Amino acid sequence: EAGVTQFPSHSVIEKGQTVTLRCDPISGHDNLYWYRRVMGKEIKFLLHFVKESKQDESGMPNNRFLAERTGGTYSTLKVQPAELEDSGVYFCASSQGLGFRGEKLFFGSGTQLSVL
Amino acid sequence: AQSVTQPDIHITVSEGASLELRCNYSYGATPYLFWYVQSPGQGLQLLLKYFSGDTLVQGIKGFEAEFKRSQSSFNLRKPSVHWSDAAEYFCAVGGGSYIPTFGRGTSLIVHP
Repeated sequence: EAGVTQFPSHSVIEKGQTVTLRCDPISGHDNLYWYRRVMGKEIKFLLHFVKESKQDESGMPNNRFLAERTGGTYSTLKVQPAELEDSGVYFCASSQGLGFRGEKLFFGSGTQLSVL
Repeated sequence: AQSVTQPDIHITVSEGASLELRCNYSYGATPYLFWYVQSPGQGLQLLLKYFSGDTLVQGIKGFEAEFKRSQSSFNLRKPSVHWSDAAEYFCAVGGGSYIPTFGRGTSLIVHP
């Protein structure tokens, strides 16, 4: 069974440019989460999809971030325009049920975003 | 709101020595508690979880954790560390309608 895959693994862009991160969850997982980790700090929640609907986007930092989940399958996270403080590792996770009920999250290996 | 504190940024142990990684949480009711591990180049993998019952939880790779409500702690332990355990370890808390909240992680370094 394929795990959660994220693309690209690394991205280096200049301030003001646009970057799109992609996440393919495990097939059949309705729940998809985006998290971000700024260097040395905690992994912070960004948003949660249930199928194609945004269930909770309280962690999105500002309107430069746009997440979509087309047809309830893969998800993209677009940053436009990117700022220096957007640098970090962006993790995607998926789960079959509801993560807060104790079900485990399956994580991708993350996208390391560097904004110069 | 819930929160997690992992007070140790780095822990260094010798191979074969015992290990304890600390985790303190803040949550108003009985929490769901998790430990995840991230090996280099990999995604986070669940080691173990607690949400009811026996307060001593066994996980994969020989790890265990003990929930202590009086201390709001969920420390991770292993009696004998292997070089392959070198990784970053994350404690997380969840419960009710909340999305799991993660700590900042503890990096484990294993000396031969």
